[in-house]
Amino acid sequence: GAVVSQHPSWVICKSGTSVKIECRSLDFQATTMFWYRQFPKQSLMLMATSNEGSKATYEQGVEKDKFLINHASLTLSTLTVTSAHPEDSSFYICSARDPVEGWGETQYFGPGTRLLVL
Amino acid sequence: AQSVSQHNHHVILSEAASLELGCNYSYGGTVNLFWYVQYPGQHLQLLLKYFSGDPLVKGIKGFEAEFIKSKFSFNLRKPSVQWSDTAEYFCAVGYQKVTFGTGTKLQVIP
Repeated sequence: GAVVSQHPSWVICKSGTSVKIECRSLDFQATTMFWYRQFPKQSLMLMATSNEGSKATYEQGVEKDKFLINHASLTLSTLTVTSAHPEDSSFYICSARDPVEGWGETQYFGPGTRLLVL
Repeated sequence: AQSVSQHNHHVILSEAASLELGCNYSYGGTVNLFWYVQYPGQHLQLLLKYFSGDPLVKGIKGFEAEFIKSKFSFNLRKPSVQWSDTAEYFCAVGYQKVTFGTGTKLQVIP
């Protein structure tokens, strides 16, 4: 099946710094990727839809200037948490759709990135 | 807006017991339904999905789910669970954008 990787798997940073998380589709080209945030004991909350070659579409309540998304190629999307604060500490997960499947809206998930802001 | 409700937050079963996890959704358009599983320390994996056709869907590892349109439900079932099924299970619904339920933690006791 389709494989999605994320890097780094975990990161600790100081408050006020920026952190970049990469999401890669390893064996397929993904025109659309998704970024989720998962709080402890809660479900995945969609933050934004990342579209290759165009601006990301953010969900209501998600600050686009704080969570910068860039989808520069068909296999790579990046999420940058700018000026991170402790409340941004969370588990960030990306997913990608394999357009070759054609009939599906199946998303393939990366392993997630644990962010801890001190 | 679409939404998903999973009624069981934590389920504990003995090995060989039967499993049924409830999932109800609300969605006004074409329904795509999914069950994802997250094993301890691993990432989300697709268990099964329904787009159209036979409402009884077979997935991996002996899991199945039945789409009942009149009840807006997509319950997950397995006739006999194993210890290795211990995981968190997420129901999801969506067409262009997928909404996830809050998840059900399944603990299977040997």
